[in-house]
Amino acid sequence: GAVVSQHPSWVICKSGTSVKIECRSLDFQATTMFWYRQFPKQSLMLMATSNEGSKATYEQGVEKDKFLINHASLTLSTLTVTSAHPEDSSFYICSARSGKYSGNTIYFGEGSWLTVV
Amino acid sequence: DQQVKQNSPSLSVQEGRISILNCDYTNSMFDYFLWYKKYPAEGPTFLISISSIKDKNEDGRFTVFLNKSAKHLSLHIVPSQPGDSAVYFCAASGADTGRRALTFGSGTRLQVQP
Repeated sequence: GAVVSQHPSWVICKSGTSVKIECRSLDFQATTMFWYRQFPKQSLMLMATSNEGSKATYEQGVEKDKFLINHASLTLSTLTVTSAHPEDSSFYICSARSGKYSGNTIYFGEGSWLTVV
Repeated sequence: DQQVKQNSPSLSVQEGRISILNCDYTNSMFDYFLWYKKYPAEGPTFLISISSIKDKNEDGRFTVFLNKSAKHLSLHIVPSQPGDSAVYFCAASGADTGRRALTFGSGTRLQVQP
C-alpha cells in the first residue's frame, strides 16, 4: 500500500532555533499534503494544506510565518518551525492523498515528536 | 465548534466480543468518512472508509455503518482482539472544504481485555 514517511521521528531543539520536518510520499505522487498537530490527549488538528508548486493554505490561528511549509516536489513537503518555543512542543503528523479525489485514501506519516527546551 | 464528535473517550470489551465505536457529525456537506487507528507516538493507520452513497462497508473484521439521516456512523470490530487496543479516530471530508483535508473526532480509546 501507499507509504508516507516522516523524518525525523523525534527532535529536541533549543528555544529560539528552527527545526525542519520532512514528509515524503514513497510510492505515489502527492499534489497535496496536509500537516497536522496533536497535543497530548487531544485530536489531530489540521495546520495547513501543502500544495505542490504553490503557497500553502493555513488554517485559522496558525501563523504562516512561524510554520513554513515548502512543497517543492510531488513527493516531498517540509514543515519548518521557526523560532521554536516550548509551547510548540507537540506531535506533528503529515499526510498525503493518493489521488486528487476525496475518494482517494489519505495516508499518514509516522509522526514527529518535537520537544523545545 | 466540533463538526465530528466521538462522545465516548474510552471503551473496554472482552476479547472475542464485538467492539462498537460511534461517531456523529454535524456538517451535512461531509460525504466521505474514514476510520483510523492510532498508537501512541505513531501516525494514524487507515482502517476503512465509506462514501455517503453507501450505508455499509465491510473489510474483514471491520464494518462501518453510515446513517446519513442521523448523521451518525459506527465502526464494528468482530471479533475483537487484544491487538485492536488503540485510539480510534473518526474522520470526515466534504465538498465545502474542497475536500482539502480531514476533520477528525477526538478519538475513542479501545481496550480489548484478554
